[in-house]
Amino acid sequence: DAEITQSPRHKITETGRQVTLACHQTWNHNNMFWYRQDLGHGLRLIHYSYGVQDTNKGEVSDGYSVSRSNTEDLPLTLESAASSQTSVYFCASSETRTALNTEAFFGQGTRLTVV
Amino acid sequence: AQKITQTQPGMFVQEKEAVTLDCTYDTSDPSYGLFWYKQPSSGEMIFLIYQGSYDQQNATEGRYSLNFQKARKSANLVISASQLGDSAMYFCAMREAGTGANSKLTFGKGITLSVRP
Repeated sequence: DAEITQSPRHKITETGRQVTLACHQTWNHNNMFWYRQDLGHGLRLIHYSYGVQDTNKGEVSDGYSVSRSNTEDLPLTLESAASSQTSVYFCASSETRTALNTEAFFGQGTRLTVV
Repeated sequence: AQKITQTQPGMFVQEKEAVTLDCTYDTSDPSYGLFWYKQPSSGEMIFLIYQGSYDQQNATEGRYSLNFQKARKSANLVISASQLGDSAMYFCAMREAGTGANSKLTFGKGITLSVRP
C-alpha cells in the first residue's frame, strides 16, 4: 500500500544545530506540505511544493528550508534550531488535481524538542 | 484575520449521544472546500468528511455529518451516537480555489472532544 512516512519520529537536538526531518511518500503525489502543530495554534503551514524543483513558503517559514529533488521526498531543514521550533511536525501529500475535494494524506508526525 | 475559527473549549459528550463541533470560516472566494480531520492521541491525522461550497446537500459519512450554513460561513461537524473511540482532537480546514485547487489547507486550532462512558 502507498504511504507517507516521516523520520525520525522523535528527536532531541541542541540550540543552534542544523536538523533535517525526512518525509517520503509512495503515492507518487506531486504536492507535498510541511506543517507544524502547536497547542493553541493548530497546524500551520511551513513550506510546500507542487513538484520537483518547486518550493514555496508558508505562513511560518522563517528558520526552515526545503528542497525537492524528486517526487517522493521533501526534507525539512532547520538551519539553526531554536527552542521556539520545539513542536510536532507533519508532512502531507496530495494529488495534482483540479478538484477542491482532493484529500491530503498525512505522515505520523515528528516530535522535535530543541534544548 | 483567522480563516478558520474553532473557539469551543474542550468538549465533553456522553457515550451514545450526539455532539456538534463548531467551525466558522472566512473567505471571499466563492469556490472553496471544507474538511474535517480527526487526531486521536496516537497523533495521526484522519480525514473524516468534506463539503464543497457549491454542494447543495450537507455532506454525510457514516456517523459524521456536516451542518453547512453558507450564509453564516459555518461548517459544524455533527457526530451521532458517540463512541469512546471518538475521543480525539478535531480540526476544521479549508482550501480556497482562487489560489489554485492544488493549494494548501488552512487549519483551525482544533477542538478536543472527550467521550464519557
